[in-house]
Amino acid sequence: NAGVTQTPKFQVLKTGQSMTLQCAQDMNHEYMSWYRQDPGMGLRLIHYSVGAGITDQGEVPNGYNVSRSTTEDFPLRLLSAAPSQTSVYFCASSYSGRRQETQYFGPGTRLLVL
Amino acid sequence: AQSVAQPEDQVNVAEGNPLTVKCTYSVSGNPYLFWYVQYPNRGLQFLLKYITGDNLVKGSYGFEAEFNKSQTSFHLKKPSALVSDSALYFCAVRDTTSGTYKYIFGTGTRLKVLA
Repeated sequence: NAGVTQTPKFQVLKTGQSMTLQCAQDMNHEYMSWYRQDPGMGLRLIHYSVGAGITDQGEVPNGYNVSRSTTEDFPLRLLSAAPSQTSVYFCASSYSGRRQETQYFGPGTRLLVL
Repeated sequence: AQSVAQPEDQVNVAEGNPLTVKCTYSVSGNPYLFWYVQYPNRGLQFLLKYITGDNLVKGSYGFEAEFNKSQTSFHLKKPSALVSDSALYFCAVRDTTSGTYKYIFGTGTRLKVLA
């Protein structure tokens, strides 16, 4: 199993540009999520999904869109990048049953918005 | 609203000594509690979790944590620290009665184990 994969590893954008961060998992997990990690702020949940076709907002959803058309993929879209979106982005997935609920994290995407 | 507090930005401990990384939480219902570790330039790795049952939870690499409902705490412990334990540690909570799958993470505690 590849686990949770994220692409790209690093990206530089100009203000106003759009891009999609890719996330895929091969563990057949129902739950997938996106976080951003900023110094001193820990991880903050952006959006999450409990299955194909179902998404919901986390703590900091503004400026980001998601969709979940398959179990495996959960892309994160930045519609018009802003310097405040400079961060490290992590995708995670998990089964959603009680004893199986453990998030597996991808390696992260480092995004710099100029 | 649910929240997690890790009151120490950094914990220093000598190799071989016991270590504790503190975590307190606030949820209105029943919590699921987690500890994750992050090594430099890596994603987070799962250490242990409390779902239900025994209050003392054992996890990876010799770590354990105790769920204390009255004090709303879930401190991470290890009897004998290793230099290789030096990393960033995150506590996380999910309120299982909220009807959502929103995980809240603490701000992280950097553990430095000194040789």
